[in-house]
Amino acid sequence: NAGVTQTPKFQVLKTGQSMTLQCAQDMNHEYMSWYRQDPGMGLRLIHYSVGAGITDQGEVPNGYNVSRSTTEDFPLRLLSAAPSQTSVYFCASSYVGISYEQYFGPGTRLTVT
Amino acid sequence: AQKITQTQPGMFVQEKEAVTLDCTYDTSDQSYGLFWYKQPSSGEMIFLIYQGSYDEQNATEGRYSLNFQKARKSANLVISASQLGDSAMYFCAMREVGPAGTASKLTFGTGTRLQVTL
Repeated sequence: NAGVTQTPKFQVLKTGQSMTLQCAQDMNHEYMSWYRQDPGMGLRLIHYSVGAGITDQGEVPNGYNVSRSTTEDFPLRLLSAAPSQTSVYFCASSYVGISYEQYFGPGTRLTVT
Repeated sequence: AQKITQTQPGMFVQEKEAVTLDCTYDTSDQSYGLFWYKQPSSGEMIFLIYQGSYDEQNATEGRYSLNFQKARKSANLVISASQLGDSAMYFCAMREVGPAGTASKLTFGTGTRLQVTL
């Protein structure tokens, strides 16, 4: 019963490098989302998806790309890492509907030097 | 404008006492959901309690209850009989109906750090 899994747990990048944060869920949830958490700012939505082939921007989408080719996977791509992207990244999933809580992955701590 | 406002950056409570964490929200939708999550120092996000905008009764889950005052747009979390393990960050969040009636974004407040003391 894996729930929401994220890899890697920790990552250090140099400015300008690109990378993909992986997220997978095994609960057949239609809705998946990515958040970043910075001190004093709560969790801010980067991108979300309501199903395979459907994605949309959240509050802070610049510098990030997503795609959703399957129900299970929702990778987050950093195109050209910047120090401002140093953060903890959470992936979450849920059923579509305002009464459903989101299940969160364990997070990825990313440092950009 | 902030959709979710948590005005208490930090709170202290003695063990076995009750504590209220404040949350106000802003929406023009009639249908929405309100959530509280706990984040211990280990970092994971733990769902605590949910309140629907049409629910007439306040939600309760064990020692957690949600004091929902719709007209004032507030959704305060009450933790009764605090325990040392309740020390954590607590986030209030709101989920609104998106385009075509699908659930859209879950918006978080900035959180309240609760410290339970002996």
